[in-house]
Amino acid sequence: KQEVTQIPAALSVPEGENLVLNCSFTDSAIYNLQWFRQDPGKGLTSLLLIQSSQREQTSGRLNASLDKSSGRSTLYIAASQPGDSATYLCAVRRRAGGTSYGKLTFGQGTILTVHP
Amino acid sequence: EPEVTQTPSHQVTQMGQEVILRCVPISNHLYFYWYRQILGQKVEFLVSFYNNEISEKSEIFDDQFSVERPDGSNFTLKIRSTKLEDSAMYFCASSDRGLWGYTFGSGTRLTVV
Repeated sequence: KQEVTQIPAALSVPEGENLVLNCSFTDSAIYNLQWFRQDPGKGLTSLLLIQSSQREQTSGRLNASLDKSSGRSTLYIAASQPGDSATYLCAVRRRAGGTSYGKLTFGQGTILTVHP
Repeated sequence: EPEVTQTPSHQVTQMGQEVILRCVPISNHLYFYWYRQILGQKVEFLVSFYNNEISEKSEIFDDQFSVERPDGSNFTLKIRSTKLEDSAMYFCASSDRGLWGYTFGSGTRLTVV
């Protein structure tokens, strides 16, 4: 059974800092890995998607890496801003046969607070 | 950018009542999903739907739950007899053949009293 763990559970940083969020998963047979942002009481906004054959993806100040063999991904946020404050979720999509492209298994998230 | 739309955003229901949560997935997507998040807990998978049938379901998705795609655009989750522990945020999502990942809706907060 796939287990996804995110470290740290919470992080508080001053504005401008570069930071790294960590995600680990127990089963390396994944199809892809997706990072999401969740604001309090809101839905899930996709940030980055990394296919299992890729090593990293970048979007603006965000960079996500994937090391499938070791079961790890990191989300790097450069020059953090107060607007980055949210919960960041990592989710892995398992490789499945037939017509199913596999469910997502989520980590518990990292609550990020960026203070001015 | 295409969106997944969920209605209502918040529903309060009495224990034992039936509820239907509604979703309009992205129009050219083929795979549809329901997830839920109990307050303070992880987002967890409920069910996936493809080609007008359930392709996978979790142990949570028991006989009290059902899904339907009644027409070409809507995707619904029905809970037949709600329990207090069904109180959660329910997310609908859709996906194409895997290249672009999931797109989630903004969720329906279900409160069972």
